[in-house]
Amino acid sequence: DVKVTQSSRYLVKRTGEKVFLECVQDMDHENMFWYRQDPGLGLRLIYFSYDVKMKEKGDIPEGYSVSREKKERFSLILESASTNQTSMYLCASSLTGGRYEQYFGPGTRLTVT
Amino acid sequence: DQQVKQNSPSLSVQEGRISILNCDYTNSMFDYFLWYKKYPAEGPTFLISISSIKDKNEDGRFTVFLNKSAKHLSLHIVPSQPGDSAVYFCAASAGSGYSTLTFGKGTMLLVSP
Repeated sequence: DVKVTQSSRYLVKRTGEKVFLECVQDMDHENMFWYRQDPGLGLRLIYFSYDVKMKEKGDIPEGYSVSREKKERFSLILESASTNQTSMYLCASSLTGGRYEQYFGPGTRLTVT
Repeated sequence: DQQVKQNSPSLSVQEGRISILNCDYTNSMFDYFLWYKKYPAEGPTFLISISSIKDKNEDGRFTVFLNKSAKHLSLHIVPSQPGDSAVYFCAASAGSGYSTLTFGKGTMLLVSP
């Protein structure tokens, strides 16, 4: 059974803190993605990675960075958390090739106070 | 500019009836389309997909129809069940090797007993 796991389901951080969100997949997928979901805005792509140490900006990369040191692990970093980064963060993975569905983790609900 | 549009934020249907969720797209390069279902506090789960070389794909109670000339697709759920109550996202891919998806904002479906 395919599995994408995220390190925390709920997280509360203070403004200015550095925040790490971890994602691990066990499907040997090449591609990994970070999205945020906000009411009325759907899913918006923050960053994605198509190989170890490779990354590409998505639609809303400002205020975020990512790290992919191993194929199965993709980290999202908020360098200095702000209240407008309060959101549901979703990690996904897929095979490469353009015709494959993405498998999502359960999400991390991040609140920045 | 929104490339994938779900113009109905919500839809209410009675149990046993048909649910029809609609999605429009503007990018002519999109050639692969997917529907995801999302329960609160969970990650989206893949439901069904369709390639642009087809106009219909069926999987149990779920059927997706694609009208390329109108740049429109729809998801039919027959018969609808209370457990189908969730947010449904339409997504599209331009066939890049990275399998990036562009999501609509979602439609909340409520199926009442």
